[in-house]
Amino acid sequence: DAGITQSPRHKVTETGTPVTLRCHQTENHRYMYWYRQDPGHGLRLIHYSYGVKDTDKGEVSDGYSVSRSKTEDFLLTLESATSSQTSVYFCAISRGVNSGANVLTFGAGSRLTVL
Amino acid sequence: TQLLEQSPQFLSIQEGENLTVYCNSSSVFSSLQWYRQEPGEGPVLLVTVVTGGEVKKLKRLTFQFGDARKDSSLHITAAQPGDTGLYLCAGENSGNTPLVFGKGTRLSVIA
Repeated sequence: DAGITQSPRHKVTETGTPVTLRCHQTENHRYMYWYRQDPGHGLRLIHYSYGVKDTDKGEVSDGYSVSRSKTEDFLLTLESATSSQTSVYFCAISRGVNSGANVLTFGAGSRLTVL
Repeated sequence: TQLLEQSPQFLSIQEGENLTVYCNSSSVFSSLQWYRQEPGEGPVLLVTVVTGGEVKKLKRLTFQFGDARKDSSLHITAAQPGDTGLYLCAGENSGNTPLVFGKGTRLSVIA
């Protein structure tokens, strides 16, 4: 296995509550990504990180924040969850181009339902 | 904004048939990656094509990168039920900018 785990795998919450999803890697990869996957939209990038404390926005970053205080963990926070944030969230890691390949290894996903 | 258009969106075929999935863009990419995703799992890399005109084979799967590096195709020969899944293409730009993903082709192979 690639050594990437997401938690929780399933969560049901109510509108307005904060939610944090965790991505943990044991590969020491520099790059980490959060995507959401919805029918008809494919994979959409929320935020990504290119190092500890270095993050940038993706195409659907509104309503989400991230933090990366150490190489192995990348947290995705929904400050006040809305029903439109019901989705499957995937974390991915990569070594980056400078290490030979910008290919992604994905976690198994976190299914979030906001009621 | 760079876009990757995949076609068809959905494909349902009988076991043993051949099929081709397309990934097209108006933008040039430094490489194209293909991933397969099975239900309840994350996408898994199948192949990366880097050179314009490159052809790579993975058992019954043949991947081609267009000469101009703007498009790619995936051809499956004699499809099996195990080929069922969501096929995603992803374009890579130079540098470490995030990949651009297509919306995927959902393939169902019926025994």
